[in-house]
Amino acid sequence: EVQLLESGGGLVQPGGSLRLSCAASGFTFSSYSMSWVRQAPGKGLEWVSGISGSGGSTYYADSVKGRFTISRDNSQNSLYLQVNNLRAEDTAVYYCARALSSGWARGFDYWGQGTLVTVSS
Amino acid sequence: EIVLTQSPGTLSLSPGERATLSCRASQSVSSSYLAWYQQKPGQAPRLLIYGASNRATGIPDRFSGSGSGTDFTLTISRLEPEDFAVYYCQQYGSLQLTFGGGTKVEIK
Repeated sequence: EVQLLESGGGLVQPGGSLRLSCAASGFTFSSYSMSWVRQAPGKGLEWVSGISGSGGSTYYADSVKGRFTISRDNSQNSLYLQVNNLRAEDTAVYYCARALSSGWARGFDYWGQGTLVTVSS
Repeated sequence: EIVLTQSPGTLSLSPGERATLSCRASQSVSSSYLAWYQQKPGQAPRLLIYGASNRATGIPDRFSGSGSGTDFTLTISRLEPEDFAVYYCQQYGSLQLTFGGGTKVEIK
């Protein structure tokens, strides 16, 4: 059974940093691209960042480029998102999602339950 | 960035009725990169359709997707009680992946 479990969220002050993690199980992690997608309270979905199975290619939304860094450790079946210089508008539930095997941006077939990041003083 | 506009914002229907949800793109989108999701309160999204018209694993055949270019449609042929939720379309193009703002399907 495919499982994705996020962690690392919490309350952080504006300008602060966090490292989000996603532990994957139930599939060959290195064979799949992964992404982070966030959802502000009461709002819609926003894609944040993606990474290829090998980790050699990374992709970012314009809204987070230069502040967020996606990475993965295939030996640990883990995905990460380093979030720096946080702003109030970054407050959201952050989901880890597995991309379809046919391509990193064609759709996300498994999602974690999310981790909440709250940016507030 | 390609903007996806979903309409209507809210669709009020009764169980057994047909639901037609629209997703319009600001520029042409490759059908290969158009997907639809369902999200219920407090839950993560669930993939319904990918490649504009392909049902994801385990998705009932009352869900169907169609369209090309800038206009895409998700149809639910006969609404079941568990289908009342928010639906999002998603596309990839111009090096950015974007979601539509969502359509809420509520019980009339």
